[in-house]
Amino acid sequence: EVQLVESGGGLVQPGRSLKLSCAASGFTFSNYYMAWVRQAPKKGLEWVATISTSGSRTYYPDSVKGRFTISRDNAKSSLYLQMNSLKSEDTATYYCASPPFDYWGQGVMVTVSS
Amino acid sequence: DVVMTQTPPSLSVAIGQSVSISCKSSQSLVYSDGKTYLHWLLQSPGRSPKRLIYQVSNLGSGVPDRFSGTGSQKDFTLKISRVEAEDLGVYYCAQTTHFPYTFGAGTKLELK
Repeated sequence: EVQLVESGGGLVQPGRSLKLSCAASGFTFSNYYMAWVRQAPKKGLEWVATISTSGSRTYYPDSVKGRFTISRDNAKSSLYLQMNSLKSEDTATYYCASPPFDYWGQGVMVTVSS
Repeated sequence: DVVMTQTPPSLSVAIGQSVSISCKSSQSLVYSDGKTYLHWLLQSPGRSPKRLIYQVSNLGSGVPDRFSGTGSQKDFTLKISRVEAEDLGVYYCAQTTHFPYTFGAGTKLELK
């Protein structure tokens, strides 16, 4: 059974950093591009980052470029999202997912507030 | 960025009714490999999104054949035949042809 389990969320002050993790199991993690997608409270879905199978290529929308960094450890079947200079508009549930979105985690809440 | 326009924003349906949701993109979603990376997702209340259809018309694993997808280039449709209670929630179209990946705003399917 495929499982993606996110962790690392919580309450953080504006301008601070937070690192999310996603533990994958039940599929060959190293064969898949992976992504982070977020959903602000009562809002729609927003793509945040994608990483290639080897980790050599990463992609971001302008809204997080330069502040967020996606990475992976294929030996540990794990995906990460380092979030720096957090803003209130980054408040959302963050999902780990495999494009084209066949697998999703349960999500982890990140709240940016003073 | 590719803008995905979904209509209608909400639908009120009776169990057993058939419905269609439209998704239009601001540019063609045909990739250089000839494939079209347009997908449909369902987010049931309180749950993570689940992919129903990938590449326009391919049913995801375990997805009932009451769901079907059609379309090409910039114009796509999700059809649900004989709606069941478990189909309620918010439907999203999503494109992974172009970066940044983008989603439609969602169509909320509710019971009449």
